[in-house]
Amino acid sequence: DQQVKQNSPSLSVQEGRISILNCDYTNSMFDYFLWYKKYPAEGPTFLISISSIKDKNEDGRFTVFLNKSAKHLSLHIVPSQPGDSAVYFCAAREGGGGGNKLTFGTGTQLKVEL
Amino acid sequence: DTGVSQNPRHKITKRGQNVTFRCDPISEHNRLYWYRQTLGQGPEFLTYFQNEAQLEKSRLLSDRFSAERPKGSFSTLEIQRTEQGDSAMYLCASSLQGNINEKLFFGSGTQLSVL
Repeated sequence: DQQVKQNSPSLSVQEGRISILNCDYTNSMFDYFLWYKKYPAEGPTFLISISSIKDKNEDGRFTVFLNKSAKHLSLHIVPSQPGDSAVYFCAAREGGGGGNKLTFGTGTQLKVEL
Repeated sequence: DTGVSQNPRHKITKRGQNVTFRCDPISEHNRLYWYRQTLGQGPEFLTYFQNEAQLEKSRLLSDRFSAERPKGSFSTLEIQRTEQGDSAMYLCASSLQGNINEKLFFGSGTQLSVL
């Protein structure tokens, strides 16, 4: 039962253009969403997050949009840079206690080409 | 603050052997998590500690797996009688409880290969 889904295993964009990574979830108890970036042979590193009470959060070149009614979130990277090439994981936390356990999607491999 | 440290980075073992991994969290973090990641998948939750108490275990954590955090600082994850299906990247993460926007900080992982 995949509660967090990233249906695009890979995405290729040109440097300077916008990258849009998508994520869908099924659990309506999720109240906090995060994006992590992962380079090979390294652990995931936190990128940006959004609470369920918001619909947008921005940090520099990175913006996350949340559509609760559609149970969908997206990560926009603009402009994309070659150093952004990595695997991006969407993650979600269920509210109501239980620590800060995160449920991850399967990831999207982003390749930013020159 | 040197981040989350995991040792060893790589472990190759034969089926049936026991292995133990260590995780040193960020020093002021009171929560510690273990995740497992296999090829093409995202990290999957295994267990988590708040201080020295193990508060939740996933059904993925079979009886062959045991985790400890004896003094509320570092943690160990032991796998007994390893099987080929245990081959994966084992990730440790830590966080500081109390912030509504609590974030997990991950280590670089231990890559386990069971032959």
